[in-house]
Amino acid sequence: AQTVTQSQPEMSVQEAETVTLSCTYDTSENNYYLFWYKQPPSRQMILVIRQEAYKQQNATENRFSVNFQKAAKSFSLKISDSQLGDTAMYFCAFMKSSLPYSTLTFGKGTMLLVSP
Amino acid sequence: GAGVSQSPSNKVTEKGKDVELRCDPISGHTALYWYRQSLGQGLEFLIYFQGNSAPDKSGLPSDRFSAERTGGSVSTLTIQRTQQEDSAVYLCASSFQSGNTGELFFGEGSRLTVL
Repeated sequence: AQTVTQSQPEMSVQEAETVTLSCTYDTSENNYYLFWYKQPPSRQMILVIRQEAYKQQNATENRFSVNFQKAAKSFSLKISDSQLGDTAMYFCAFMKSSLPYSTLTFGKGTMLLVSP
Repeated sequence: GAGVSQSPSNKVTEKGKDVELRCDPISGHTALYWYRQSLGQGLEFLIYFQGNSAPDKSGLPSDRFSAERTGGSVSTLTIQRTQQEDSAVYLCASSFQSGNTGELFFGEGSRLTVL
């Protein structure tokens, strides 16, 4: 079974600063996907960024980037130039890349508060 | 609508009553998931539907929980004889196809409170 651990229940950052959210996972699989999902207060959860384990290059999406360390089973999310709208619960998630289907295993989340 | 729709958005019930939660996925999405989100516990997988295949019920916590998906579209999650520990937000998500994209589209959830 896979496990996903987010060791930071809460984090705070000021607007325009950079913040890094941590995630570690445990799996015996070699091929898998990792994700960061964002859940703003009282709003729907949306996908922020996705990383395929077979790719060495770290994924980036505008101000969001990841530091994927496969050997260490670490997958951190860096948010640059933080904005007030980044305030949300962030969930790290794992999915095996096996057919016919896979479900996502989520961590417990990190609540990020961006202040002016 | 364009997104995943869930109803009711809030449900308060008494212990021992049955509840039904509804999910209307995005049109054309063949995969549908139910997750439970409890305070401080992250998201717990409950059940997965993919097309006409038998659902994966491996996450259902007890036989009081059941779900069905009619016509490959709308899904209903039923909790019988509710207990206080069932209080949580129940999230539904859908995706275009099973497997390897991992991008799930979530509804806003149904918040269940069992008194």
